[in-house]
Amino acid sequence: GEDVEQSLFLSVREGDSSVINCTYTDSSSTYLYWYKQEPGAGLQLLTYIFSNMDMKQDQRLTVLLNKKDKHLSLRIADTQTGDSAIYFCAESIYAGGTSYGKLTFGQGTILTVHP
Amino acid sequence: DTGVSQDPRHKITKRGQNVTFRCDPISEHNRLYWYRQTLGQGPEFLTYFQNEAQLEKSRLLSDRFSAERPKGSFSTLEIQRTEQGDSAMYLCAGMRGRSNQPQHFGDGTRLSIL
Repeated sequence: GEDVEQSLFLSVREGDSSVINCTYTDSSSTYLYWYKQEPGAGLQLLTYIFSNMDMKQDQRLTVLLNKKDKHLSLRIADTQTGDSAIYFCAESIYAGGTSYGKLTFGQGTILTVHP
Repeated sequence: DTGVSQDPRHKITKRGQNVTFRCDPISEHNRLYWYRQTLGQGPEFLTYFQNEAQLEKSRLLSDRFSAERPKGSFSTLEIQRTEQGDSAMYLCAGMRGRSNQPQHFGDGTRLSIL
């Protein structure tokens, strides 16, 4: 079955880079997502990558995918205090139309950015 | 703006009461998903609609839960005879039809059972 795991906490100083890690178990064709959640709010899509890609960059965000190890990371360059939030890794699997793209989420990583 | 609206944002009710939540995606979101998120956890899948058809339901969706999407536009999630364990954030997500499109979430409805 599908399982997604993340480390629970990350603390960085403003201006440093943050790296949030995620591991997943299913090796089927899949999309992997990063969402951000601020207190009391819904999930904001940050970026996503298909399993045939190794890397994707979008402004301050870099996603790296190691398919062999089933490891996904999100790097935030020049981290700001406004980046403090919970970051969720999620996986969706398309297996001949039977999975319908539901997302399986990790537990979330709480990122704290100190001035 | 994700294009997905949820109403109400907060709902406080007594145990045993029925509650109904509403989700309004944009017209391009022919796929619609409901998730439940408890404190300190990631969201968990509840159910999925493609247009008006409910195509997948999680085992988390007990008999007290029912979801509809009558015209393939807005969707409702009803919980009957609420229990303490139903306290959670209920999130709705919309998605365009193709598999390479991401899901866009609303701000959720936070349910508190007294």
